[in-house]
Amino acid sequence: NAGVTQTPKFQVLKTGQSMTLQCAQDMNHEYMSWYRQDPGMGLRLIHYSVGAGITDQGEVPNGYNVSRSTTEDFPLRLLSAAPSQTSVYFCASSYSGGGTEAFFGQGTRLTVV
Amino acid sequence: KQEVTQIPAALSVPEGENLVLNCSFTDSAIYNLQWFRQDPGKGLTSLLLIQSSQREQTSGRLNASLDKSSGRSTLYIAASQPGDSATYLCAVNLNYGGSQGNLIFGKGTKLSVKP
Repeated sequence: NAGVTQTPKFQVLKTGQSMTLQCAQDMNHEYMSWYRQDPGMGLRLIHYSVGAGITDQGEVPNGYNVSRSTTEDFPLRLLSAAPSQTSVYFCASSYSGGGTEAFFGQGTRLTVV
Repeated sequence: KQEVTQIPAALSVPEGENLVLNCSFTDSAIYNLQWFRQDPGKGLTSLLLIQSSQREQTSGRLNASLDKSSGRSTLYIAASQPGDSATYLCAVNLNYGGSQGNLIFGKGTKLSVKP
C-alpha cells in the first residue's frame, strides 16, 4: 500500500541549479498533479496531468516543467532554481480527476539559497 | 475566480468538546468538496469527500455537510481528543471541463485540543 510516493523528502539547492522532484503512484490513477504550499498562501496548483502524454498548467506554472510518459510517474522539474521556489511541494493523484478522492504524497521540502 | 475561505484560522478547545470548522467558497459550480487533515511536516490525509449532489458525509466522529447553493461546508468533530490536533484543510474540485480534478484550497484551520 505505497499510495503516492515522493522523493526526496528534503533538498537544498543553490540559485540556478536544476533538479527533478519525483512522484510515483501505484493505484493506477489517471489524474496527477503538483501543488506548492507556502505560509499564508495555502496550496496552489502548479501543473496537472489527466493521463499519460497529457499535461497542462495550473495557477503557478512558471519556472517548472512536467512530463507524463507513464501512468505511474509524474516528475516535476525545476529548470533554474530561484529563492522564490523555496516551498513544500506535494504530489497528488486521483482515479479520474473530478468526482473522486485525491491522495497526497508526504511532500518535498525544498530550500533554494 | 473561485476562492475558498476557512474560519477560524486557529482554534483551541479542551478535550471532549464538540466543534465545528467552517469553509466557504465563492462559486457554487463545484464537482465536490474534500476535507483533509495535515499534521506538522506531513502530507495531507483525506478525511471526507462530499459530492455536489450530497448534503453530508460521516466517518466515525467526523461529519461534513455541504450547502452548495450558499457556498458553505462545515466539518463537525464530536468529542474532540488531543490526537485531533492538526490543521484541517477544505478544498473544492472545480466543475469546468478539463479542470475537473484541480483542487482549490482554503488556508486551513489549525486545531489544538488540550488534555
